[in-house]
Amino acid sequence: AQSVTQLGSHVSVSEGALVLLRCNYSSSVPPYLFWYVQYPNQGLQLLLKYTTGATLVKGINGFEAEFKKSETSFHLTKPSAHMSDAAEYFCAVSPRDYKLSFGAGTTVTVRA
Amino acid sequence: NAGVTQTPKFQVLKTGQSMTLQCAQDMNHEYMSWYRQDPGMGLRLIHYSVGAGITDQGEVPNGYNVSRSTTEDFPLRLLSAAPSQTSVYFCASRPQELHGYTFGSGTRLTVV
Repeated sequence: AQSVTQLGSHVSVSEGALVLLRCNYSSSVPPYLFWYVQYPNQGLQLLLKYTTGATLVKGINGFEAEFKKSETSFHLTKPSAHMSDAAEYFCAVSPRDYKLSFGAGTTVTVRA
Repeated sequence: NAGVTQTPKFQVLKTGQSMTLQCAQDMNHEYMSWYRQDPGMGLRLIHYSVGAGITDQGEVPNGYNVSRSTTEDFPLRLLSAAPSQTSVYFCASRPQELHGYTFGSGTRLTVV
């Protein structure tokens, strides 16, 4: 069985500041890892994913995440927050099959 | 491509009523899933399908039925609606090879 823990249900950052969203997972097998973003009243959009290979993965909108097997983590970062980054972010894990398990989500607010 | 289309976008049901949430994708994706989203709980898998004629239960299947008669369509049936089924429902699909899921825009269901 796999599970996903997102640390912090709400994160508030100033425009231009670093965005750091934390995700830890447990999985019985090496997993595939994903970050999704959800804007208000919309579906989820894939930001980035890790399957194999390079552990630092780059996604859309300037986001990146690093897979650290020893720490069972997949934290999401963006060097400089923009007002348009205000949204809810979900980390998800798949144990190399078709089922995704999601974290509870982290809501990001960006202060001007 | 329309992507993943969900209908209706909003629905109010009375306790005990039944209804079908529609989901259609035009990307020839093999894998399709239904999730429900509740505040603070992320997304939870209800049912999924790995191809036409093949479905299976997810994490929270009770009170829901699915069928997959074609690759394109994956309807979700609520047999006898209960207030606990008030939620936002998302349909998602992906190709047979591992990619991130593409999500529909959701159906917001209220059971009174």
